[in-house]
Amino acid sequence: QVQLQESGPGLVKPSQTLSLTCTVSGGSISSGSYYWNWIRQPAGKGLEWIGRIYTNGNTNYNPSLRSRVTISIDTSKNHFSLNLNSVTAADTAVFYCARGQWPNKFDPWGQGTLVTVSS
Amino acid sequence: QSALTQPPSASGSPGQSVTISCTGTSSDVGGYNFVSWYQHHPGKAPKLMIYEVFKRPSGVPDRFSGSKSGNTASLTVSGLQAEDEADYYCSSYAAGDNFVFGTGTKVTVL
Repeated sequence: QVQLQESGPGLVKPSQTLSLTCTVSGGSISSGSYYWNWIRQPAGKGLEWIGRIYTNGNTNYNPSLRSRVTISIDTSKNHFSLNLNSVTAADTAVFYCARGQWPNKFDPWGQGTLVTVSS
Repeated sequence: QSALTQPPSASGSPGQSVTISCTGTSSDVGGYNFVSWYQHHPGKAPKLMIYEVFKRPSGVPDRFSGSKSGNTASLTVSGLQAEDEADYYCSSYAAGDNFVFGTGTKVTVL
């Protein structure tokens, strides 16, 4: 079955750009009517949807993060990526990637990766 | 957009039932029948339990059920089992073509 795995630096300095990749295995990122999401969870807090991308490149972002977020997709590598710029300590969180299906079925999810913003 | 409101905690003894509420607005929960629920054991990947308010993915026990009234959705876990102890999050489609999650509820099996 389809599995997702996040990867990227676990430590990012304030004001820099956080970059993560989600690699999809067990199926093609281009097959089916799916969209691909990034979701985060700050320590001790709830989940926050960051944004999504379709295989045609169309994106939607959380309004509160829209000015700092870019999600891209590389179907040849079967992965999609997250860039979050101008990070602060408030961006420290476990970041998850998840496959989405209309309307809001997020399934499956990756295991998550902790990113800490600190100098 | 604001997070959907869930009670911080809920509990029940094995075999009992527990119901978790998820309150939003007419721009999310109340406006669409697009509420989903996720079970999250810390350190593991969240798992889809309910979608489109009351539908269960294959493999999810029928002890889990969902409903909605107005701006509030609910998840009920009947016949509580030890493995049901986890954090639960609701999610709703929201106006503006995006999504919002709930604040999360920690379910404890006494």
